[in-house]
Amino acid sequence: DQQVKQNSPSLSVQEGRISILNCDYTNSMFDYFLWYKKYPAEGPTFLISISSIKDKNEDGRFTVFLNKSAKHLSLHIVPSQPGDSAVYFCAASGGTGNQFYFGTGTSLTVIP
Amino acid sequence: AAGVIQSPRHLIKEKRETATLKCYPIPRHDTVYWYQQGPGQDPQFLISFYEKMQSDKGSIPDRFSAQQFSDYHSELNMSSLELGDSALYFCASSGRGAYEQYFGPGTRLTVT
Repeated sequence: DQQVKQNSPSLSVQEGRISILNCDYTNSMFDYFLWYKKYPAEGPTFLISISSIKDKNEDGRFTVFLNKSAKHLSLHIVPSQPGDSAVYFCAASGGTGNQFYFGTGTSLTVIP
Repeated sequence: AAGVIQSPRHLIKEKRETATLKCYPIPRHDTVYWYQQGPGQDPQFLISFYEKMQSDKGSIPDRFSAQQFSDYHSELNMSSLELGDSALYFCASSGRGAYEQYFGPGTRLTVT
């Protein structure tokens, strides 16, 4: 049972434009969400997080939005750069020290 | 900054053999998580340890066992290996009271 879903397996965006990656979850007990970036043959790299008490968190070119009522979060990258090309996973957890449930990933390609 | 260290990076074993994967968390991190990522799949949580005690258990087969030692490093022991155990095994660590998990580079296990 996939509790975290990323329905778009791939996304292509022109350099300089905005990339929007989406993630849906089913468990209303999740209260902390992470986005990870992963390059081939490497471990996931933490990108940005958001807790359920907020609806937006920004870090440079990356912004994560959380819509708790819709159980939906999105990652905005603007402007997109070719180095952003990677697989992006969203993950959700119900508390500190608890496991994270991962989505299936979205492969982002930023076209120069 | 120091990252999560995993060894070995690559491991080739035959069916029915045993394997031991090691994980060295970031200094002062007290929680370790193990994930298994099959080809084209999202990371699946196996097991976690907090302060040397098992804290959460996911889809870890009975053939696998793990522990966390006094220096906080962890080992994942896998016995009676099967072809389906071929995957990338990630270890992640987090600090006291923190949500963010920082991943190691992974160990690629190939069972032939």
